[in-house]
Amino acid sequence: AQSVTQLDSQVPVFEEAPVELRCNYSSSVSVYLFWYVQYPNQGLQLLLKYLSGSTLVKGINGFEAEFNKSQTSFHLRKPSVHISDTAEYFCAVIQTGANNLFFGTGTRLTVIP
Amino acid sequence: DAGVTQSPTHLIKTRGQHVTLRCSPISGHKSVSWYQQVLGQGPQFIFQYYEKEERGRGNFPDRFSARQFPNYSSELNVNALLLGDSALYLCASSPRTENTEAFFGQGTRLTVV
Repeated sequence: AQSVTQLDSQVPVFEEAPVELRCNYSSSVSVYLFWYVQYPNQGLQLLLKYLSGSTLVKGINGFEAEFNKSQTSFHLRKPSVHISDTAEYFCAVIQTGANNLFFGTGTRLTVIP
Repeated sequence: DAGVTQSPTHLIKTRGQHVTLRCSPISGHKSVSWYQQVLGQGPQFIFQYYEKEERGRGNFPDRFSARQFPNYSSELNVNALLLGDSALYLCASSPRTENTEAFFGQGTRLTVV
């Protein structure tokens, strides 16, 4: 069985401040890890993913995430947020050998002017 | 190139009715997956089709069915609609069965009244 826990349902942050959105997972086998962003009334857009190699992954829009196997975490970070970053962010996993993405419940990031 | 297209964008149905949702994948992608996103939750996997064959099924009742056509487009059918089926239905396309490169459409917002 697998699970994804996004520890914060809502994160308010002031514009140009740094932000970290937390994600922990559990799985009995190795996994691939993803962060998706969803803007209001839209589908999901891939921010970044970890498949193998360097544990620090850089994505679009200035976001990055670090895979920590010992802590089973994949936290998303951005050093300076913009108003346009206001959206819902989803952490997801795929167990190696499986086909379907398993999503967390999401974190709503609100950037305050 | 066109992305993943879904139709219709919005739909209102009455309890007990049947609904068909449609998805056209990115050109060259042979895998289509369907997800249900209930308000305030992360997407949940319903089905995956690859090369017209079902490759995965999530924990959904038999009222949910899908198929994939020779041109790789797909339909999701839901019979005997319940109020709880109200959700955003997302389609994702991928070049391979392993959804490490999944691209999502804008979704179909289904409201059951």
